[in-house]
Amino acid sequence: ILNVEQSPQSLHVQEGDSTNFTCSFPSSNFYALHWYRWETAKSPEALFVMTLNGDEKKKGRISATLNTKEGYSYLYIKGSQPEDSATYLCAFKGAQKLVFGQGTRLTINP
Amino acid sequence: DTEVTQTPKHLVMGMTNKKSLKCEQHMGHRAMYWYKQKAKKPPELMFVYSYEKLSINESVPSRFSPECPNSSLLNLHLHALQPEDSALYLCASSQAWGFAEAFFGQGTRLTVV
Repeated sequence: ILNVEQSPQSLHVQEGDSTNFTCSFPSSNFYALHWYRWETAKSPEALFVMTLNGDEKKKGRISATLNTKEGYSYLYIKGSQPEDSATYLCAFKGAQKLVFGQGTRLTINP
Repeated sequence: DTEVTQTPKHLVMGMTNKKSLKCEQHMGHRAMYWYKQKAKKPPELMFVYSYEKLSINESVPSRFSPECPNSSLLNLHLHALQPEDSALYLCASSQAWGFAEAFFGQGTRLTVV
């Protein structure tokens, strides 16, 4: 069984604060790590696809890092805004597998 | 056009019915996916088509039958489903299987009665 774990499960952050959360995945047979943002009643929206150890990606106030040797990725949000409220999903691609984590539900309090 | 279009949006079917879910994209993507998502759970991969060939079948019961008639279309044929198959079925597409960002459709909310 392939375990992809995200922590924390939920997070409440004050508007303007920065935050980060974690995706842990197997360190063997790594092909790619995806991050998605999923708002209620909408489709998941791709944020990043990361393939190389040490990768850092950035899109506006959101950035992500990747450590394939130890099997984790961090997603950072700088200066949280109410529109950042969503569930953030990571997905691990192995040889013939694509497995999602359970997600981190982020709520930004105004 | 960065849309993945799924029809219908909602479907209620009896356990003896046969129905189909449809998915369409015009982004030139060569990988298309079916996912099943139950309430408060992440999406679970069901099938992957790469270059119109079935690449992955995640041990899905045969009452679900995928079909990829061409590079833009993906169908999921449903027959003799069970109430526990009620879920949101998501279609997605990407440039390459697993290595490119996937674009998701809005999903079909399926209820089996």
